[in-house]
Formats: sequence, C-alpha cells, structure tokens
Amino acid sequence: GENVEQHPSTLSVQEGDSAVIKCTYSDSASNYFPWYKQELGKRPQLIIDIRSNVGEKKDQRIAVTLNKTAKHFSLHITETQPEDSAVYFCAASGFQKLVFGTGTRLLVSP
Amino acid sequence: EPEVTQTPSHQVTQMGQEVILRCVPISNHLYFYWYRQILGQKVEFLVSFYNNEISEKSEIFDDQFSVERPDGSNFTLKIRSTKLEDSAMYFCASTYGANQETQYFGPGTRLLVL
Repeated sequence: GENVEQHPSTLSVQEGDSAVIKCTYSDSASNYFPWYKQELGKRPQLIIDIRSNVGEKKDQRIAVTLNKTAKHFSLHITETQPEDSAVYFCAASGFQKLVFGTGTRLLVSP
Repeated sequence: EPEVTQTPSHQVTQMGQEVILRCVPISNHLYFYWYRQILGQKVEFLVSFYNNEISEKSEIFDDQFSVERPDGSNFTLKIRSTKLEDSAMYFCASTYGANQETQYFGPGTRLLVL
C-alpha cells in the first residue's frame, strides 16, 4: 500500500522567511496530493492540492510542486507570518482514501 | 459554505463500553470517510463508504468497528467494546466523487477511554 514520508518533523523560521516541507510517496498510482494545515485541537484544513497532470500550483504565498518521476512533492510558503504556525500534513491518494505523512510542526517567530 | 458536522465534540467512556460517533456529511456528497488521529500523531484512514457499503477499510478497522448510514443525512461510526488504545480524535470526511476529490473534514470527536 501507499506510504508517505514527510520531512522535516519540525521547522523554525523567522517571520518573513520561506519554509519548505517535503514529502515522498511510494505508490506510482497515486494521483492526488493535498496539503492540510492543522492548528491545535482543530480539524485538518486544506490549504492547497495538486493533481498528477500538473507540476506546480501556486496560491498567493503558498505553492506546491510535484515530481511524479521521483515521487516527491513539496510545499513552499513564502513571507511566513506568525499565523502560519501550525502542523502541516501532506497526503497522497490513488482512489478515495488519503494516506497522510507524519506532519511538520512549523513555528514562525516574530 | 456547507460543512461536515460531528457530534459529540467530546466523549468519555469506560473501557468495554460501546460508543457511537455521529457525522453529517455535506448534503450532495456521496463518499464518506472516517479517520482517526492519536494525540500528536498523523491522521490515519479507517474506512470509506459509498452506496451503503464499505468500499475500503484499513487494518485498524477490525470487527469492533462498524459504520452505518441510518438515514439520508447521518453517517455513524460504532465501536462495540472500546479499548484504552481507541482514545483518539475521530474525523469524518466526505467528497462528491471518488478520485482526486478534495476531502472536507468535520471538526472531530475527541474520544477518551478510561
């Protein structure tokens, strides 16, 4: 079955810096790759997703890149703000279920 | 904007008791999911449900778990005889289609088994 690995587990940046979180997946049949932001005690909230026919997608300060050959995808956050502090999860899906990575705790210091 | 809702928000139960967690998916969605998240860990898939049948389940979803859509709006997860290790946050999610679809998560039910 699918296995998703995520790095780093924690990431500390200064406000205004960029943050990059990387994920790899194992199942070449996976074709949908969402990223979720989760604040303490809250539900995972979708922040951006990418489908396998696209290599890159951007939404304001957030971008995701996908390399299907290498089976990895990355989240890029530019001009980080303290409110970006949260746990970020990547996920991969081939059909129906999402398989999540282990999460990255992002801390943005003012 | 329509949202997935879940009740209760918190549930405390004794080991061996049955619990039922309730979800109301987004109204025109056809695929329903349960996930769990043990404190501090990743979100794990439990089961997917379509057309009144389980379409996929994980190894976690053993005989102690069952799901049901008792009416046109609710989707429930039952744990027959709870164990200490069932303590977790349980999230419901729903989608309209099955492939490459955004999954919208409910707010979760925090289950504590004592």
